[in-house]
Amino acid sequence: GESVGLHLPTLSVQEGDNSIINCAYSNSASDYFIWYKQESGKGPQFIIDIRSNMDKRQGQRVTVLLNKTVKHLSLQIAATQPGDSAVYFCAEMSGSARQLTFGSGTQLTVLP
Amino acid sequence: DVKVTQSSRYLVKRTGEKVFLECVQDMDHENMFWYRQDPGLGLRLIYFSYDVKMKEKGDIPEGYSVSREKKERFSLILESASTNQTSMYLCASREGGKETQYFGPGTRLLVL
Repeated sequence: GESVGLHLPTLSVQEGDNSIINCAYSNSASDYFIWYKQESGKGPQFIIDIRSNMDKRQGQRVTVLLNKTVKHLSLQIAATQPGDSAVYFCAEMSGSARQLTFGSGTQLTVLP
Repeated sequence: DVKVTQSSRYLVKRTGEKVFLECVQDMDHENMFWYRQDPGLGLRLIYFSYDVKMKEKGDIPEGYSVSREKKERFSLILESASTNQTSMYLCASREGGKETQYFGPGTRLLVL
C-alpha cells in the first residue's frame, strides 16, 4: 500500500540556524499534506498544511514546500529555537475517505 | 482554539481487564478518531466516527471497540486488555468537510 516516509530519522541543528525536514510520499493521488510537531510525552500539534494545488505555504517561522514532480514535501523552520526540539512528522491524505497516512517522524534536536 | 482532552495521561492495567479511554472535544466537530502510536510504526488508525452513533473500523480494529453516544465524546474500549495493547493512544477530531485533525494529549497505557 501507499506510505509516507522520511529521509532522515534524526536531525541536529545549531540554535539560530534554519532546519529542513524532509518527507517523501508515494501516493501521487494525495491532495493534502500536513505537518505535526510532537514533543516528548505530548500529543501531536498541528503546524502547517498545504494542498496539492500549491507549491509553497508560509506560516510563522515555518514554510512547507511541495514538489509533486518528485513527490517530496519539506518543512523549513527559520531561526531554530530550543523549543523546536521535537519529533516532526508529515501526513498525506487522498481519496474520498479523507484519512491521513502518517510518516514515522524525524527527531529534531536543537544544539545550544 | 480546538481543544481535545483525554481522560487520563497514564494508565496501568492488568491483562484481561476492561479498559475505557475517553476523549472529549469542545468544537462541535463531526469526526473523531482513535490512533495508537508505537515506536517505529507511527500512528495507526484504530477506529473513527463521522457522527453520533456511527463508527468505522480503521486499520487495526482487532481487540478494540468504540462508542459515540454524544457528539463531543468518543470512547475507546479494550474489552480484555492484553500486553500487546501497551501503547500511546491518541484521540483526534476534525470538523466536517475539513482536513485538519487536532489531537489530544494522549494516554499512555501499560498493560501488565
